[in-house]
Amino acid sequence: ETGVTQTPRHLVMGMTNKKSLKCEQHLGHNAMYWYKQSAKKPLELMFVYSLEERVENNSVPSRFSPECPNSSHLFLHLHTLQPEDSALYLCASSQEIAGGHTGELFFGEGSRLTVL
Amino acid sequence: DAKTTQPNSMESNEEEPVHLPCNHSTISGTDYIHWYRQLPSQGPEYVIHGLTSNVNNRMASLAIAEDRKSSTLILHRATLRDAAVYYCILSNTGTASKLTFGTGTRLQVTL
Repeated sequence: ETGVTQTPRHLVMGMTNKKSLKCEQHLGHNAMYWYKQSAKKPLELMFVYSLEERVENNSVPSRFSPECPNSSHLFLHLHTLQPEDSALYLCASSQEIAGGHTGELFFGEGSRLTVL
Repeated sequence: DAKTTQPNSMESNEEEPVHLPCNHSTISGTDYIHWYRQLPSQGPEYVIHGLTSNVNNRMASLAIAEDRKSSTLILHRATLRDAAVYYCILSNTGTASKLTFGTGTRLQVTL
């Protein structure tokens, strides 16, 4: 198993659909992240979960709803998306060390989302 | 977080050393310097990080200026597989959650 696995790798959905992206990490980490990467733009941090609690939400529209049922799994539930939400959605994990140096981020390969 | 400035793109010949610069003139004393790279169609991957001293690992070396206002990622022998976007990032906390990615440097490697 690779460290961070994302499914599906590709998703096409209409604006009225409801779908979910799934992320699973096999590294024993205690923090998980969702990033969005649009064409020609830097990675944008969307959500951070540390010890299964959401610790950061960077002004993400409510049509994106994260869920972290345990430290190994992270979901991004999608509903009534817009075409401008088409992007590569990347999941990452890390081992948070309180007071220590920054934990290395391990990324999945991403889920390429197209909203029609 | 303090900002970093990188060239948009660089080119290198295969098997030549590559020096990727990063300016961070507003770096604070507790900011770590991180480098990640993103190969085509993949998520970013960690390359190296440091605080004050130069660092070496199996992938690269990180040279940090004495005043810490700039740093250089050194790939000792570039290969075609090193073609990627390289991100220089600062973080002043102890957690990865504060890593903010910029636009990075796109490295092209040619035969």
